[in-house]
Amino acid sequence: DGGITQSPKYLFRKEGQNVTLSCEQNLNHDAMYWYRQDPGQGLRLIYYSQIVNDFQKGDIAEGYSVSREKKESFPLTVTSAQKNPTAFYLCAGPAPTDTQYFGPGTRLTVL
Amino acid sequence: AQTVTQSQPEMSVQEAETVTLSCTYDTSESNYYLFWYKQPPSRQMILVIRQEAYKQQNATENRFSVNFQKAAKSFSLKISDSQLGDTAMYFCAFMIGGAQKLVFGQGTRLTINP
Repeated sequence: DGGITQSPKYLFRKEGQNVTLSCEQNLNHDAMYWYRQDPGQGLRLIYYSQIVNDFQKGDIAEGYSVSREKKESFPLTVTSAQKNPTAFYLCAGPAPTDTQYFGPGTRLTVL
Repeated sequence: AQTVTQSQPEMSVQEAETVTLSCTYDTSESNYYLFWYKQPPSRQMILVIRQEAYKQQNATENRFSVNFQKAAKSFSLKISDSQLGDTAMYFCAFMIGGAQKLVFGQGTRLTINP
């Protein structure tokens, strides 16, 4: 997993509530990434950060927010503005040879 | 925009057989990388194999090899002597050199039967 940890493994939320997913890394990576995976689909990039206190939108950033106050942490908040938040969320960090390591993921279900 | 297409939603083979998963991509860039990731039932994404676009030689990793056809923008994965543990979703992915984004295909669900 390249030193990427995510919590919790499963998360349930009521409609209209914000929820924050945790992503932590212990390998001193500058860059971190958040992806979303829907059933039967590939991953899509939500946000990424290349350095502390800076982040960029990916392809599907609407309804999400992030922060990067510490190098080790890159939390993702799923806001009430996200119309279809039920999905599997994966955090990633850079790996040697221009690829990425992925954390174990968080399954978010909206009740 | 870069796109990755996997045309085989599901495949199934017997243990010890050889299987080939297809992937095509579209880009106007010349410096890029291609990957195959495996996602077993645990849902952990695992890198299987990597190919640099500037290298003509096809990458191999033990039982896994690729057929990289740059002109045709094709990047297929061959699994030899398939094992039950190869059962997983397989995703083809693409990254422009120096960029920060992996672009994924829709995936192929591979089942290895005993």
